[in-house]
Amino acid sequence: DVQLVESGGGLVQPGGSLRLSCAASGFTFSNYSMNWVRQAPGKGLEWISYISSSSSAVFNADSMKGRFAISRDNAKNSLYLQMSSLTAEDTAVYYCVRVLVVPNAFGYFDLWGRGTLVTVSS
Amino acid sequence: EIVMTQSPATLSVSPGERAILSCRASQSVRTNLAWYQQKPGQAPRLLIYGASTRATGFPARFSGSGSGTEFTLTISSLQSEDFAIYYCQQYNNWYSFGRGTKLEIK
Repeated sequence: DVQLVESGGGLVQPGGSLRLSCAASGFTFSNYSMNWVRQAPGKGLEWISYISSSSSAVFNADSMKGRFAISRDNAKNSLYLQMSSLTAEDTAVYYCVRVLVVPNAFGYFDLWGRGTLVTVSS
Repeated sequence: EIVMTQSPATLSVSPGERAILSCRASQSVRTNLAWYQQKPGQAPRLLIYGASTRATGFPARFSGSGSGTEFTLTISSLQSEDFAIYYCQQYNNWYSFGRGTKLEIK
């Protein structure tokens, strides 16, 4: 099956750090750009970070203020999100998302994982 | 940043009736617009891309239209499984999502 499976979520104290992982299967991971998207409880969707297929291009949403770092290991079919200086506002479900790139645009999100919940609380 | 505005926030429609959801971009996104469906406890699922192309697995009662700054998602005859939250997203200049429209049973 074509799927993305996130892991690494949990309870973390304010100011702490956490590393999320996403395992891809059923497709050639190294051919696709990837993103992280999050959703706070009862709220909408927020794009976090983008990484190109070869890791040559990495971009973060300005709102993350440099606290989050996306990376990937194509040999392991895995995507990562390193998060630091976490606050209660970072409490959310974090989704790993595959991008279908289109000409002259950034591409749409054609495959989503089920998400992993990160709770920032003391 | 391109701001996406969806309306209405909540839409109450009876099964079998038609639903029309709107999405407006703060600047032109051409046809680089996607719609996603999200049901409770589930991840979003790609519904429409390129403003009007239906993704795999969705029936023909779902249709998208528009270009530039004004977009519409129409569900022609609502079935019980269609009641969900729908998000629009532009991918013309990075990514931004609307706040969603909750489609509920009337």
